[in-house]
Amino acid sequence: NAGVTQTPKFQVLKTGQSMTLQCAQDMNHEYMSWYRQDPGMGLRLIHYSVGAGITDQGEVPNGYNVSRSTTEDFPLRLLSAAPSQTSVYFCASIPGLGSNEQFFGPGTRLTVL
Amino acid sequence: GNSVTQMEGPVTLSEEAFLTINCTYTATGYPSLFWYVQYPGEGLQLLLKATKADDKGSNKGFEATYRKETTSFHLEKGSVQVSDSAVYFCALVSKTSYDKVIFGPGTSLSVIP
Repeated sequence: NAGVTQTPKFQVLKTGQSMTLQCAQDMNHEYMSWYRQDPGMGLRLIHYSVGAGITDQGEVPNGYNVSRSTTEDFPLRLLSAAPSQTSVYFCASIPGLGSNEQFFGPGTRLTVL
Repeated sequence: GNSVTQMEGPVTLSEEAFLTINCTYTATGYPSLFWYVQYPGEGLQLLLKATKADDKGSNKGFEATYRKETTSFHLEKGSVQVSDSAVYFCALVSKTSYDKVIFGPGTSLSVIP
């Protein structure tokens, strides 16, 4: 198993540009989440999904969209990038009911100029 | 709402020193508690967990005991190594919202030879 994979590892955008951060898992996990990590603030939940076709907002959803058309993939879209979205983004998955251990991807470091 | 508080870092220790990183939480009911570790340039990995009061989680020489009476889950290791240098995150998952993990801000540990 590759586990949770994320692409790209690094990205630089200009203000106003859009892009999609990719996340995939091959463990057949039901739940997937996106977090952003900023210095001194730990991880903050952006969006999450409890299954294909079902998504919901986390703590800091503004400026981001998600979709979950398959169990494996959970892309995060930045509609119009802003410097405040400069961060490290982590995707995570949880097997589902009865398990609450999160499996994390390696992260995407995004800089918005 | 639920929250996690960790001791401020960074923490710098000499090799073979004793480590304690304090973690306290606020939650309704009886959450599951976790310690995650993030090595430089990597995603988070589960270090240990405890799912009910008085449980002790342990892994790689690290231990933490779920103390309901003090709402704490302090991380300890008797003799740290240089390879333990990382950022440590305390986290909780509510039994009723197991898809949402609440993270503390993280504590950076540097171990010097």
